[in-house]
Amino acid sequence: DTGVSQDPRHKITKRGQNVTFRCDPISEHNRLYWYRQTLGQGPEFLTYFQNEAQLEKSRLLSDRFSAERPKGSFSTLEIQRTEQGDSAMYLCASSLTSGLDTQYFGPGTRLTVL
Amino acid sequence: DAKTTQPPSMDCAEGRAANLPCNHSTISGNEYVYWYRQIHSQGPQYIIHGLKNNETNEMASLIITEDRKSSTLILPHATLRDTAVYYCIVRVPPGGGADGLTFGKGTHLIIQP
Repeated sequence: DTGVSQDPRHKITKRGQNVTFRCDPISEHNRLYWYRQTLGQGPEFLTYFQNEAQLEKSRLLSDRFSAERPKGSFSTLEIQRTEQGDSAMYLCASSLTSGLDTQYFGPGTRLTVL
Repeated sequence: DAKTTQPPSMDCAEGRAANLPCNHSTISGNEYVYWYRQIHSQGPQYIIHGLKNNETNEMASLIITEDRKSSTLILPHATLRDTAVYYCIVRVPPGGGADGLTFGKGTHLIIQP
């Protein structure tokens, strides 16, 4: 068990470009979550998957954001036509749907939009 | 909105017990209290959770008042590596509602040498 991993750890892009982040959950964890964290704030929930099904989306997840988990293992989060306001840390977490579903977080991907 | 209230910052001397309070006066009967911490530039780290009984693990102890309207996270012997933002979160069990965690701004705990 190597924990939740995210790639890349840092991404710098120009406004208007598309970016994609990847999250690999803890093996056998069937739930996967995406959060966004801006400077000085706590993480904010974006969306989550149970296996390959996307079950909930926050109002924060605008039309430019799309998340997938095609085989119920790793997930990708894509942001199209990035804006400076998208600059943030994007965090992924995973959990096992049994017991109390404790979420374990990855190290995050820090996005800077110039 | 987060359903918890925490002081924005606290100091504690290294080697002493750090006691972090959290107010959750509107907690429902089936909501659990979770604590996470976030060291600078890292993802949040799970610490402990509880429903109504006090809990202890290798990292910390959680004391929940009898009316469940507040709780205290105790780090028994704080070290410099415990400097972090500590988040108190209340949530229902899976399937009982929204499954994303609602973080507030947390308490920035600074351990002084």
